[in-house]
Amino acid sequence: ETGVTQTPRHLVMGMTNKKSLKCEQHLGHNAMYWYKQSAKKPLELMFVYNFKEQTENNSVPSRFSPECPNSSHLFLHLHTLQPEDSALYLCASSHQDGEQFFGPGTRLTVL
Amino acid sequence: KQEVTQIPAALSVPEGENLVLNCSFTDSAIYNLQWFRQDPGKGLTSLLLIQSSQREQTSGRLNASLDKSSGRSTLYIAASQPGDSATYLCAARGGYQKVTFGIGTKLQVIP
Repeated sequence: ETGVTQTPRHLVMGMTNKKSLKCEQHLGHNAMYWYKQSAKKPLELMFVYNFKEQTENNSVPSRFSPECPNSSHLFLHLHTLQPEDSALYLCASSHQDGEQFFGPGTRLTVL
Repeated sequence: KQEVTQIPAALSVPEGENLVLNCSFTDSAIYNLQWFRQDPGKGLTSLLLIQSSQREQTSGRLNASLDKSSGRSTLYIAASQPGDSATYLCAARGGYQKVTFGIGTKLQVIP
């Protein structure tokens, strides 16, 4: 695998479910990001990790819980989501403040 | 708070035409500005990164310029092709790894 990978690519969940999104980067970067992309809205930065430490939490509801066990892996744990959380969730990585590279995204639908 | 605006929202041009996409930002204290393309339902592909100390970057038929003092960046596409059809996004990176995206310009190149 090369670049940034995300699994699953599609996810349908009920409001009471708990699920996790996974992101892995094979680029040797030290920073990883979660973004949310909703229709007709700009990408919203959710979380940033730099050397496994969270450096940004953009006022994201607590039903989204990030985890970064090492600089190559990033998770987004989901629980008791709302239908308005349905969106494309994108992961990216970069060197410190450098060029960002994105994964293909996870299309999430909350019923 | 940084705000990024992209004009026009949509653009349709005949094949072979040269075109310019615009990106403006309200806070000139940026580290860099990055241009991406996004195909429907897919992740983002990095096109060009301009550091705050640079005025322009070129890659093939693409040229991006940056004028920090006026809060503007442009992406110039030469000799457009149908394969250039996509949504083009710009993102401004500020302090603490804060990245702000525009909503994008949807480009259609007609054969």
